[in-house]
Formats: sequence, structure tokens, C-alpha cells
Amino acid sequence: NAGVTQTPKFRILKIGQSMTLQCTQDMNHNYMYWYRQDPGMGLKLIYYSVGAGITDKGEVPNGYNVSRSTTEDFPLRLELAAPSQTSVYFCASSYQGGSNTEAFFGQGTRLTVV
Amino acid sequence: KNEVEQSPQNLTAQEGEFITINCSYSVGISALHWLQQHPGGGIVSLFMLSSGKKKHGRLIATINIQEKHSSLHITASHPRDSAVYICAVPGSARQLTFGSGTQLTVLP
Repeated sequence: NAGVTQTPKFRILKIGQSMTLQCTQDMNHNYMYWYRQDPGMGLKLIYYSVGAGITDKGEVPNGYNVSRSTTEDFPLRLELAAPSQTSVYFCASSYQGGSNTEAFFGQGTRLTVV
Repeated sequence: KNEVEQSPQNLTAQEGEFITINCSYSVGISALHWLQQHPGGGIVSLFMLSSGKKKHGRLIATINIQEKHSSLHITASHPRDSAVYICAVPGSARQLTFGSGTQLTVLP
């Protein structure tokens, strides 16, 4: 099993450019999440999904969009990149939501917007 | 909203030392997670516990539900234990609220 796979690992964007961070999992998990991690801060939830076709906003959704057309894939879209979106992004998945289930994380994507 | 506080923020130890990292939270929970983030950036789950104590190798996690407090202990620390250790508790939206992490450096 590959677990949770994120691509790319690193990316530099210019202000105003757009990009998609890819996330796929092969564990047949219903729940998938996108987090961002800023220096000295805990991970913040951007968007999450409880199953194919269902997505919802997390704590910091502005400037991002997601889709969940399949159980496996949960891409994160940045439409107009801004310096405030410079961060490390993590995709995660779990079989169930809530606290009583283990979460599996991707390796992260380090994004710099200049 | 559950607030999570970790201490210390940074910790430097000599190889072989016993290490303790603390986590406090503000709202009662059903389970707490300890995670490890290595310098390469990947995050892995270490423990998920709802009461008492769990042990995995040299790592021990304890939780006191009444006091809303958990500790992660590392016995006989080793340089390869150097990482960021993160605790997480249930938040809204059926997901986790994370502490800001404890950067552990173990010197040979």
C-alpha cells in the first residue's frame, strides 16, 4: 500500500498563478483532509471531505477550492496565488471522522509564493 | 473550540536522557493523538489513546482525562528521535485540532 500520496513535494509560484496540489489514497478511506502548516503554528484545516461528491470548508478555506470526484482523489486548487499562501500543505485521510480513528498523512508539499 | 497547549516548544537532550513532552487541552475528549513529524516533513501517527497508558518500544503515552492532560515520554533517547512531536484532540467538523508541536533535538 502506498498510503497517502501528495504531489508535488516542492513548488514555487508567482503571485497570481494557479496550481493544483494532488492527493490520492489507496486505503479506501471515506474521510480526506487538507491542512496547512505555518511556522510555529499547529496544522489548520483548509477543507475536508466525508466521501465522494461531498466537501466542506474547514477553518481557513479562503483562496482554495477542492473537489472529490472519487474516493481516492482529493485535489486542492489555488486559483490566484498570494504570498500568504506560502506554507507546507498536508493531505490526510482516515476511515472514519472524529477522534477515534487513526489519520494517515501525506509527505507534504512545500509551497512558496513570490 | 478545543484549545491545545504543548510544552516545551523546544527541547534539547543528550542521548540516553528520559524525555517528557506535555499536552493540555481545554474541552473534554474521547481520545487524544500523538504524532511525529520528521525533518523530512512527513507526519506519522504514534498513539491514539483515550485512557491510561500506551507503550510502543521506547515511547510511552499517558493521559489523565479528568485533568485534561497527556504526556509523551521517551526513554533512553537517541538522535534518531529528533523530530517535532504533535498532540491533537477532536475539534469541530469531525477532524482534529493540533498543538503547535515540540521540537526535540537529541544530541549524541
